[in-house]
Order: sequence, then C-alpha cells, then structure tokens
Amino acid sequence: AQTVTQSQPEMSVQEAETVTLSCTYDTSESDYYLFWYKQPPSRQMILVIRQEAYKQQNATENRFSVNFQKAAKSFSLKISDSQLGDAAMYFCAYSQGGSEKLVFGKGTKLTVNP
Amino acid sequence: DAGITQSPRHKVTETGTPVTLRCHQTENHRYMYWYRQDPGHGLRLIHYSYGVKDTDKGEVSDGYSVSRSKTEDFLLTLESATSSQTSVYFCAISDWGISYNSPLHFGNGTRLTVT
Repeated sequence: AQTVTQSQPEMSVQEAETVTLSCTYDTSESDYYLFWYKQPPSRQMILVIRQEAYKQQNATENRFSVNFQKAAKSFSLKISDSQLGDAAMYFCAYSQGGSEKLVFGKGTKLTVNP
Repeated sequence: DAGITQSPRHKVTETGTPVTLRCHQTENHRYMYWYRQDPGHGLRLIHYSYGVKDTDKGEVSDGYSVSRSKTEDFLLTLESATSSQTSVYFCAISDWGISYNSPLHFGNGTRLTVT
C-alpha cells in the first residue's frame, strides 16, 4: 500500500522568510499525482498545489512551489515570503493514477512568527 | 467555499445509536467522498461515490455505510456508533474525480463525539 510520510510534525518561520516542508512517499507506480493541502484553524481543507508525476517541471502557485524528486520519491513544499495567514496544518497527499483514493500524510503544523 | 454543506456541524451521541451525517453540494459534481480526520492519522478515506447509487469503499469503511440517491446528497451512516468513531468527518467533491486530475473541494467538517 502506498504511504506518505511527513517527518516534521511542527515547523516555524519568521514572517517574510522562506520555509520548506518535507514529504516522502512510497509507491511502485509510475502514474500518480501529488498534492499539498492547507488546513487553517477554521478546519477547511484548501488545495495549495498539485503535481503530476509525469511532469518533470516543478509546480508553482504564486509564493508556493514544490521540489519534486521522482527518483527519491520526495515532494517538498517551499513557501516564500511567509505571511501570518500561512499559519496552518499542511498535508501532503498521494493518489495513484486511475484511483479515487487519496492517501494523506499526518501533517506538519506551521507557525509563522511576526 | 465550493458549495458544500455538511450537517450537522457538531453532534454528540451515545454508543450503540445510529448516526447519519449529510453532505449536500450545489456544484453538480459527479464524485463525492467521506473522510475522517484523527490526530496522528491525517485524513483517511471512508467511502466515495462516483455517481447516483454508485459507491465504493475506502481504507476505513468498517462500521460505515453510505447512500447517494441524488447527485447533490451523499449520506454517511454509522450503523451502531462506537467511541472509536469519535472524529471529525469531512465531505469532499470533485467534478471528474481524482483519477482525472480534477481537484477535491472540501466541506467544513462535522465533529462527532460518541460517548
């Protein structure tokens, strides 16, 4: 079964600085998708960014970018120019191509210090 | 929000009683999902639906059943609630499904406490 590991239960960053959240996954498949979701204290899950495994180019969404290392099965999230509103739980997630089953990591709690 | 309403928002129930949680969408999306979120486990898929009356199990489906008689409604039933089912339950929807790289949109969750 596929697994997703987030090795950092908590991280902190100063406002305006850059932080990287780690995620590794285990799969023998070649066709899959990877996601980062944000969950602020409001509890709502919000999609931050997604990456198709067949794409070599790293996905970018404004201040959020990923470092996708397919051979190493690593999918880290970089947040640039951190803002107070970025404080949240961040979840890495994996889905195998052709499957509706999204597998989540246990999350990383990000604190942004003013 | 993507037009998803979960009800109730909070519920406290006793062990052994049946409980039904409702997810209602106004987006006419084909796919609907139920997840539970527990500390130390992230989110785990319970069941999902890929159309009216079409459902499939997720990784933690034991003790749960679902029904979808209309496109807009997806019900999750705990047939006989247990304390291990105390959790936050999230509904999600997707237009074409994760397998077609269609993003998930989540509801605000239902906090269920089984005493």
